[in-house]
Amino acid sequence: GAVVSQHPSWVICKSGTSVKIECRSLDFQATTMFWYRQFPKQSLMLMATSNEGSKATYEQGVEKDKFLINHASLTLSTLTVTSAHPEDSSFYICSAKGSTTDTQYFGPGTRLTVL
Amino acid sequence: DQQVKQNSPSLSVQEGRISILNCDYTNSMFDYFLWYKKYPAEGPTFLISISSIKDKNEDGRFTVFLNKSAKHLSLHIVPSQPGDSAVYFCAASANGNKLVFGAGTILRVKS
Repeated sequence: GAVVSQHPSWVICKSGTSVKIECRSLDFQATTMFWYRQFPKQSLMLMATSNEGSKATYEQGVEKDKFLINHASLTLSTLTVTSAHPEDSSFYICSAKGSTTDTQYFGPGTRLTVL
Repeated sequence: DQQVKQNSPSLSVQEGRISILNCDYTNSMFDYFLWYKKYPAEGPTFLISISSIKDKNEDGRFTVFLNKSAKHLSLHIVPSQPGDSAVYFCAASANGNKLVFGAGTILRVKS
């Protein structure tokens, strides 16, 4: 149980284009989903928290107009990196938790490379 | 300000022996603690958690100990296996809010 998937697992795009990453909870209802970013040899950095049906709450320093988050259902959240630039290249990981637990279950991550 | 600290960047243990990973925190409001295991280019895998009302939780080879007065928790893996080699993150949360992660400890189990 508690399986979270992400799609795509890796993506290469040109500078200036937008990329959408999907995060799905496969066997539970995720009332809250989180988006993280991990730079090489560093810990996970929380970007934003989203509750189903509500606007996402972004961490300080994260541009909400650049990283669009949608959590339209209890099993799906999307992160769209708009007008991507090479400095956006990173490993993006989502996590999800249900209403009855504080444990977050993580997706496998998406490697984004912007050329 | 790092609220969750893992002061050992790496740990090397012989197969079959005990691995002890340590974590310290500063925020007394944290009430839930978790350990995750992570391989490169993969998402973290949940291992075990503990609520602040307990001081020990055990699941198979994994045991987490919590010392609230010292604001310290540890993960014990026994016996250690080569497949346990990975990066281990401790994390903490307060009132069901966002997780705060430590920097991670690389565990190498030698066969």
